[in-house]
Amino acid sequence: DTEVTQTPKHLVMGMTNKKSLKCEQHMGHRAMYWYKQKAKKPPELMFVYSYEKLSINESVPSRFSPECPNSSLLNLHLHALQPEDSALYLCASGTGDNEQFFGPGTRLTVL
Amino acid sequence: GQNIDQPTEMTATEGAIVQINCTYQTSGFNGLFWYQQHAGEAPTFLSYNVLDGLEEKGRFSSFLSRSKGYSYLLLKELQMKDSASYLCAVRDNDYKLSFGAGTTVTVRA
Repeated sequence: DTEVTQTPKHLVMGMTNKKSLKCEQHMGHRAMYWYKQKAKKPPELMFVYSYEKLSINESVPSRFSPECPNSSLLNLHLHALQPEDSALYLCASGTGDNEQFFGPGTRLTVL
Repeated sequence: GQNIDQPTEMTATEGAIVQINCTYQTSGFNGLFWYQQHAGEAPTFLSYNVLDGLEEKGRFSSFLSRSKGYSYLLLKELQMKDSASYLCAVRDNDYKLSFGAGTTVTVRA
């Protein structure tokens, strides 16, 4: 199984809503990542978890809150987002060595 | 930080070969990745290089020269489905992956 899954595929939320994005992998990867991608731009790293601990936070606003409940799951909690946060949110997992696979992404629209 | 450069666009004919170059300047190097991304979809892993030389995977090959800060992705026997954006990404010693802006390849019949 070389698959990273993400739910939901699409999400529309208002600026006062609270929602969560979910990511799961069963490849035994020790590292999991959240990226944000705007149209026609490359992915931008947001957070890195290594062995279930947050190792990198790329100065992401606190309205984005990551969580790693166990080695297979990664969540991104969203609260009080702005319209400019609308983007494709990509989860990835990797060995920290020669593999890093992306999930299909959640397309988020903030109204 | 990382500075990663790749051409914006390339066009080639079905059945031909295209080479996408990537140059990088980094504060630390721990591997180079190539991804393919079709419009509206997530990036798909193509290759990984950490040592100098050529890695071949079917129609796709990737080359790395660490001393020159240079890599290329070679696509052979181009097919229409190869029309996509190709992303070069460099990982630093903190395991952070930084992406180039991507090269849009258009394959024409």
